[in-house]
Amino acid sequence: EAEVAQSPRYKITEKSQAVAFWCDPISGHATLYWYRQILGQGPELLVQFQDESVVDDSQLPKDRFSAERLKGVDSTLKIQPAELGDSAMYLCASSEQLVTEAFFGQGTRLTVV
Amino acid sequence: DAKTTQPNSMESNEEEPVHLPCNHSTISGTDYIHWYRQLPSQGPEYVIHGLTSNVNNRMASLAIAEDRKSSTLILHRATLRDAAVYYCILRNQGGKLIFGQGTELSVKP
Repeated sequence: EAEVAQSPRYKITEKSQAVAFWCDPISGHATLYWYRQILGQGPELLVQFQDESVVDDSQLPKDRFSAERLKGVDSTLKIQPAELGDSAMYLCASSEQLVTEAFFGQGTRLTVV
Repeated sequence: DAKTTQPNSMESNEEEPVHLPCNHSTISGTDYIHWYRQLPSQGPEYVIHGLTSNVNNRMASLAIAEDRKSSTLILHRATLRDAAVYYCILRNQGGKLIFGQGTELSVKP
């Protein structure tokens, strides 16, 4: 069964360092999402891509976060510099069409120390 | 973005049906109603979605009110593995998928 792949699964980084997460969506899925989930809360949408274009990044803290999906396939989310408050689970999801089901990866658990 | 309202938590007994309610009074005519669930330390998992008619799949049933201002996710026979946080989400034509706080379902043996 096809899955959304994310790496790494766990990441510990020091405050002010740069960190990057990678996501490989299910083949053929044009829509890709990045979410941040703080423990005890629902996932918060950071950015939505349609192919290689950003559809919505209104909640992305653009002073330190960036996201790209250069060829419309896999995607990278970067944080520079990391802050203590960035400790969270970062989730990637993809869907074939805009209204059909979305499939989520297992996430990357980030701890900033 | 249209919002949904769900109870914070619900309890169920194993092997009994569970009805998880969701209110979405500001839903627009083109919004789809999606349900996802999230087990501890895992990413959310798709459960079911619908537009106007009731829907059934192997995991659950979705009952949508005639005016579409509310919906109910039905688990026909709860198992211990169904203990999770269940999210009701309105997905617009632009594909935006916005999560709320969800309902934490606990299942007692």
